[in-house]
Amino acid sequence: TQLLEQSPQFLSIQEGENLTVYCNSSSVFSSLQWYRQEPGEGPVLLVTVVTGGEVKKLKRLTFQFGDARKDSSLHITAAQPGDTGLYLCAGEETGTYKYIFGTGTRLKVLA
Amino acid sequence: GAGVSQSPSNKVTEKGKDVELRCDPISGHTALYWYRQSLGQGLEFLIYFQGNSAPDKSGLPSDRFSAERTGGSVSTLTIQRTQQEDSAVYLCASSLDSNNEQFFGPGTRLTVL
Repeated sequence: TQLLEQSPQFLSIQEGENLTVYCNSSSVFSSLQWYRQEPGEGPVLLVTVVTGGEVKKLKRLTFQFGDARKDSSLHITAAQPGDTGLYLCAGEETGTYKYIFGTGTRLKVLA
Repeated sequence: GAGVSQSPSNKVTEKGKDVELRCDPISGHTALYWYRQSLGQGLEFLIYFQGNSAPDKSGLPSDRFSAERTGGSVSTLTIQRTQQEDSAVYLCASSLDSNNEQFFGPGTRLTVL
């Protein structure tokens, strides 16, 4: 079974600071997705990365897929209180329809 | 509505009782997924439907868990003889096809006393 480890598990920072969340595995994935989940709601897709080494930007969020497609990172610049939430990565198992979710990073941005 | 809906939103039951959770996917979405999320954790894959068929049921935690999908639309997840360790949020997601973006419902929070 493929596993995805996220770090850190918890992160509490001040508004305006930068942060990076990591998603690591020993397995190769066809693609990798990042989601944000707020309390009482389901996860919402932020981005999908497919190609090794790919970098995607979404406003203040930068996503990178590792060259070997085993890991990914999410960098947030100048964090805002609205960025608060649970960030989840999910890897698509090669050749299947299954998505393996990471352990999650709970981010709190203080005003 | 335009999104995935789930019912009930909350369910409290006693150990040993059966429960049925419902998912209404987005109209036209052929793929449907069930996940389980323990408090503040990541999602655990349970089962996937393509149309009415479930190609892989290996994610179901035990034989007390079953799921079905009828008419390529509504799906129900049934847990028989619930145990306290079944307490979690059960999330449903649908997508246009198996390799497209998944849209999640708000989940059903199950508490087994």
